[in-house]
Amino acid sequence: SQTIHQWPATLVQPVGSPLSLECTVEGTSNPNLYWYRQAAGRGLQLLFYSVGIGQISSEVPQNLSASRPQDRQFILSSKKLLLSDSGFYLCAWSPSLAGNYEQYFGPGTRLTVT
Amino acid sequence: AQSVAQPEDQVNVAEGNPLTVKCTYSVSGNPYLFWYVQYPNRGLQFLLKYITGDNLVKGSYGFEAEFNKSQTSFHLKKPSALVSDSALYFCAVRAFRSNDYKLSFGAGTTVTVRA
Repeated sequence: SQTIHQWPATLVQPVGSPLSLECTVEGTSNPNLYWYRQAAGRGLQLLFYSVGIGQISSEVPQNLSASRPQDRQFILSSKKLLLSDSGFYLCAWSPSLAGNYEQYFGPGTRLTVT
Repeated sequence: AQSVAQPEDQVNVAEGNPLTVKCTYSVSGNPYLFWYVQYPNRGLQFLLKYITGDNLVKGSYGFEAEFNKSQTSFHLKKPSALVSDSALYFCAVRAFRSNDYKLSFGAGTTVTVRA
């Protein structure tokens, strides 16, 4: 079966510090990968998605970037965090094969920028 | 463009009563529709989906949803709610045969089931 991991689970970082959040998927190959941010426990904002190694699409111009160095690894980064980067970051994956369209979410990372 | 509306921020029901969470969608062509549930400080869990076929879709934990094309709705239902169903629920849509893999999510509905 497939599993998705995110770490760290929680993170407290000062303004201006760098960020690296990691997401890995097991039990599947060539998944589509997504990064979302959820503010205040409400709606989801799609930040980035990837359909293959090195292929990143950005949805919202901001202080963040994403990379996919390996097939099942997706990394969210920032060079200098802002207070507004605080939130709950969710990674998700979906099969790239036709017929399955739902996304499966990781446990999330709670980021607090102080 | 595709979008989802969840008209109720909150739904409150007594345990044992029927639960309905409303969702309407807008999409070009036929839709793929999904429901997710989120417990505090957790990721979203997939509940059910409509792709094609029967308009009534059954999913996890006793939930079901009814696809209504004429009303562009996909309401989530449970005949008898449990206190443990208290959570945040999201509806999502994607256009049929779209090469775009993105889902559009609603703003979420908080369900509170009182004992």
